[in-house]
Amino acid sequence: GESVGLHLPTLSVQEGDNSIINCAYSNSASDYFIWYKQESGKGPQFIIDIRSNMDKRQGQRVTVLLNKTVKHLSLQIAATQPGDSAVYFCAENNAGNMLTFGGGTRLMVKP
Amino acid sequence: AAGVIQSPRHLIKEKRETATLKCYPIPRHDTVYWYQQGPGQDPQFLISFYEKMQSDKGSIPDRFSAQQFSDYHSELNMSSLELGDSALYFCASSLRGEDTQYFGPGTRLTVL
Repeated sequence: GESVGLHLPTLSVQEGDNSIINCAYSNSASDYFIWYKQESGKGPQFIIDIRSNMDKRQGQRVTVLLNKTVKHLSLQIAATQPGDSAVYFCAENNAGNMLTFGGGTRLMVKP
Repeated sequence: AAGVIQSPRHLIKEKRETATLKCYPIPRHDTVYWYQQGPGQDPQFLISFYEKMQSDKGSIPDRFSAQQFSDYHSELNMSSLELGDSALYFCASSLRGEDTQYFGPGTRLTVL
């Protein structure tokens, strides 16, 4: 079936640098996308979302970009901190509100 | 702010036993979702409920069933447990009409 996936399984960055996590989706009918952060042993934590009628959305230190032409999502984290270390998932919300998750990317922040 | 509550947090069962997982959504949230996350895998949607009615069904085995009660809490019932059922089980909740799902801390089920 259609799915959401990620390009990089592990991303290692220096503290203070910016991080970019990428995600490709295949369901062109999806109209809502979410980024979740999951720390070890915990549930996915909502970070930021974006609807398909937008290209960019900014939060506190995070920005999500949506390129519908190539069906690509990215999550940018500014001034990455050790507390940002986690697995990040993108998810698309299909009709009926079922979330389809992409393969997670592990972000490791080096002090 | 109140979050999704799941119980128990950890559960150990033997093969062929049954298990019941409970989920208490965020206050005022009327929709609950169940996800299964195997080791190193993405969360996979199992089933969802709105106003006590099944809303959507994903890859939930026939051995599993779930329901939502009048106070909106939900229970996932798992029978004839198999080793492959060992996973993290997450419940999420949302308010009908809103897309954002908020996840609970999960129940770690280990089947021996």
